[in-house]
Amino acid sequence: EPEVTQTPSHQVTQMGQEVILRCVPISNHLYFYWYRQILGQKVEFLVSFYNNEISEKSEIFDDQFSVERPDGSNFTLKIRSTKLEDSAMYFCASSGVLDEQYFGPGTRLTVT
Amino acid sequence: QKEVEQDPGPLSVPEGAIVSLNCTYSNSAFQYFMWYRQYSRKGPELLMYTYSSGNKEDGRFTAQVDKSSKYISLFIRDSQPSDSATYLCAIPDSGGGADGLTFGKGTHLIIQP
Repeated sequence: EPEVTQTPSHQVTQMGQEVILRCVPISNHLYFYWYRQILGQKVEFLVSFYNNEISEKSEIFDDQFSVERPDGSNFTLKIRSTKLEDSAMYFCASSGVLDEQYFGPGTRLTVT
Repeated sequence: QKEVEQDPGPLSVPEGAIVSLNCTYSNSAFQYFMWYRQYSRKGPELLMYTYSSGNKEDGRFTAQVDKSSKYISLFIRDSQPSDSATYLCAIPDSGGGADGLTFGKGTHLIIQP
């Protein structure tokens, strides 16, 4: 069964450093998403991406964040200058022509 | 305002019991409703998807939507210890492509063997 994959599973970085989180969505899906979940809190929407551009973004997705689909399979989230409060699980998701979003296993980001 | 509320639990029931999980929402414009299951430190797993009022059944799971009350439910029949997880309701903003989902905080379910 096709699935969304994410790498790395755990990333530790120092405050102020740039990180890139990687995702491979399900191959025939058209829509791609990033969410985050701070420990003990809700899953929160960050951004959606369709046809090589951002479709929707939340208030959380400020200028420190960017997304890219550098090739036909990968979808990345970049955080330019990490802050302590960026520590969270980051989930990538993808969907096809329907609205059913399938999530990856997540990347745990720890900012020290 | 996009608000989705769930009782966080924990909800503890014996194996074999029928479980009822509930979620309320505030925006009457919501049209589509999803239930996800999340095991600890894992990604949300899509369980059920419905876009109408009434019931939708899939194996041991039944999703129920009452749009007049802005209330959605997930029922689990013949509950198993492997059903122990956090159950999240989620609602897309408007049902069009590339909508972000608004999640509830989730209900932590424990099935006692």
